[in-house]
Amino acid sequence: GAVVSQHPSRVICKSGTSVKIECRSLDFQATTMFWYRQFPKQSLMLMATSNEGSKATYEQGVEKDKFLINHASLTLSTLTVTSAHPEDSSFYICSARWKTTGKSQPQHFGDGTRLSIL
Amino acid sequence: AQKITQTQPGMFVQEKEAVTLDCTYDTSDQSYGLFWYKQPSSGEMIFLIYQGSYDEQNATEGRYSLNFQKARKSANLVISASQLGDSAMYFCAMREGNFNKFYFGSGTKLNVKP
Repeated sequence: GAVVSQHPSRVICKSGTSVKIECRSLDFQATTMFWYRQFPKQSLMLMATSNEGSKATYEQGVEKDKFLINHASLTLSTLTVTSAHPEDSSFYICSARWKTTGKSQPQHFGDGTRLSIL
Repeated sequence: AQKITQTQPGMFVQEKEAVTLDCTYDTSDQSYGLFWYKQPSSGEMIFLIYQGSYDEQNATEGRYSLNFQKARKSANLVISASQLGDSAMYFCAMREGNFNKFYFGSGTKLNVKP
């Protein structure tokens, strides 16, 4: 069964709206979660690493004020796309690894969120 | 330089046949992990198989096996007895050292023909 839950799965909203996406680890603690963006037919682009209890680490070129990340607990990270515009339309997907990890532990992914800004 | 390279944007395979998806990687670390994920059209990322840099044997998981050639820095995924449900995007990924960050390749779209 799913170990990471992402909500909502699809969002359609007007330009200028802020959108919050939740990523929850189920039945395990995740001190670190990851947020990716994926354009059609392309690979996953890491946006930021979400660290529980501290500030997120953003990849180069990702606007911190645009994509707000909050990792308030060991099981929940949120990504807020502030004042979204059509160019923010994309597939956003989160992942997490177990807190106590062996090297073989994969990242477990949520089902993703399709964001469409009109 | 790219950490993960997948040179096959698209592949076709006949149902019930085997197919190999290529992946090469670039790292100077001695300790690293290699992963393969499947992404169907619905979007979710499904973990398939893992190979550690110190593993002497090739990893296998059911119909999936990983052809690990360390000297060549390649970690090709072999799918045996292809099924229609195997049609999807496949991503190779690498984790270096003890870091959590994964590097993903550009993906290979596999189409299984009936």
